[in-house]
Amino acid sequence: SQQGEEDPQALSIQEGENATMNCSYKTSINNLQWYRQNSGRGLVHLILIRSNEREKHSGRLRVTLDTSKKSSSLLITASRAADTASYFCATDVYDMRFGAGTRLTVKP
Amino acid sequence: DGGITQSPKYLFRKEGQNVTLSCEQNLNHDAMYWYRQDPGQGLRLIYYSQIVNDFQKGDIAEGYSVSREKKESFPLTVTSAQKNPTAFYLCATRTSGNNEQFFGPGTRLTVL
Repeated sequence: SQQGEEDPQALSIQEGENATMNCSYKTSINNLQWYRQNSGRGLVHLILIRSNEREKHSGRLRVTLDTSKKSSSLLITASRAADTASYFCATDVYDMRFGAGTRLTVKP
Repeated sequence: DGGITQSPKYLFRKEGQNVTLSCEQNLNHDAMYWYRQDPGQGLRLIYYSQIVNDFQKGDIAEGYSVSREKKESFPLTVTSAQKNPTAFYLCATRTSGNNEQFFGPGTRLTVL
């Protein structure tokens, strides 16, 4: 079973555009986290949003959470070529499982 | 310098051989995880451990084994029973507070 499912599977945009990716989950949560993975590397934690929060910002990242719909979105504003990576969401259950991720390509 | 160390970075194995991937952490985290990632795919959970001397199977445990004799170490053995072991293997730890995970750099295993 998977705790987070990302959508779309792949996203290609031009530098300077905004990128939005979505995550759906199945169970009740205390928090939801987004991670980034550059090719051939481990995952890096980006941002955490708690279940009592609806929106959170960190630099060019904006995360929203809708617990009634069991969904979250990650917005990257003014994207850069360096943002090219795969992005994953995960919920705070102890058996941390990930979806297939969204593969973002930012073209210079 | 705190973090997670995985060794080796690249590993080659002949068919029929067992091989052990190392994962060491100095973050003092109780929980540790092993994931497998195939090209262009997401992470699949192999095994996880919440505490020393205890571990649970994930979604794809067949052909793998682990031990957790020390808090700092969670080695993964890929046995000859694993029919398609060529993949990228990631080790992770998890904080006990907000459950944030920290990942090692990974080991790329290739079966020749």
